[in-house]
Amino acid sequence: GAGVSQTPSNKVTEKGKYVELRCDPISGHTALYWYRQSLGQGPEFLIYFQGTGAADDSGLPNDRFFAVRPEGSVSTLKIQRTERGDSAVYLCASASGQGTDTQYFGPGTRLTVL
Amino acid sequence: QQQVKQSPQSLIVQKGGIPIINCAYENTAFDYFPWYQQFPGKGPALLIAIRPDVSEKKEGRFTISFNKSAKQFSLHIMDSQPGDSATYFCALHSNSGYALNFGKGTSLLVTP
Repeated sequence: GAGVSQTPSNKVTEKGKYVELRCDPISGHTALYWYRQSLGQGPEFLIYFQGTGAADDSGLPNDRFFAVRPEGSVSTLKIQRTERGDSAVYLCASASGQGTDTQYFGPGTRLTVL
Repeated sequence: QQQVKQSPQSLIVQKGGIPIINCAYENTAFDYFPWYQQFPGKGPALLIAIRPDVSEKKEGRFTISFNKSAKQFSLHIMDSQPGDSATYFCALHSNSGYALNFGKGTSLLVTP
């Protein structure tokens, strides 16, 4: 594909439910980032993968949030026991390497927790 | 937590005007200062970026001015067009980290 893709584009769930958000990075990109963007705010960092390993997960807000990238390509962000405050747009970005290589963002998944 | 302060929050200019968006930071441990443009329903896209060893960078109608001593940098859009109407984010990259730290964004409206 030409760019980063994310599925689903929209997800509505009930408080307390479990959700999975998927990110397909640009082919060949080793670096993958997850950000969260609340209404009227800039993206906030959640977690960074270099290859299969999470090199920095310092942005995950609590242990309800978890992300994996088992084969170094597709990544899944998992949220357990969702809360209304988790409602936001979850953005995925990929880059060819690390550091200051350009991060290319997907369109995001809009999560709404009722 | 936000390490960069962006202003103004919103901006309206007429076509052909030169909107200026400003960002300020405190920590000096940053090595890369990109600007991202975001349209509704889309992810942010890199517009232009600068490193701290230069004071200005121009790409097409977009210019970044960087003042290292004042810890400030700004985006200028020359000959603005209605198609430039979007939200603009400045960001910082720490020389000891991985992620970008974004400002809160500026919503720009360019009227015909």
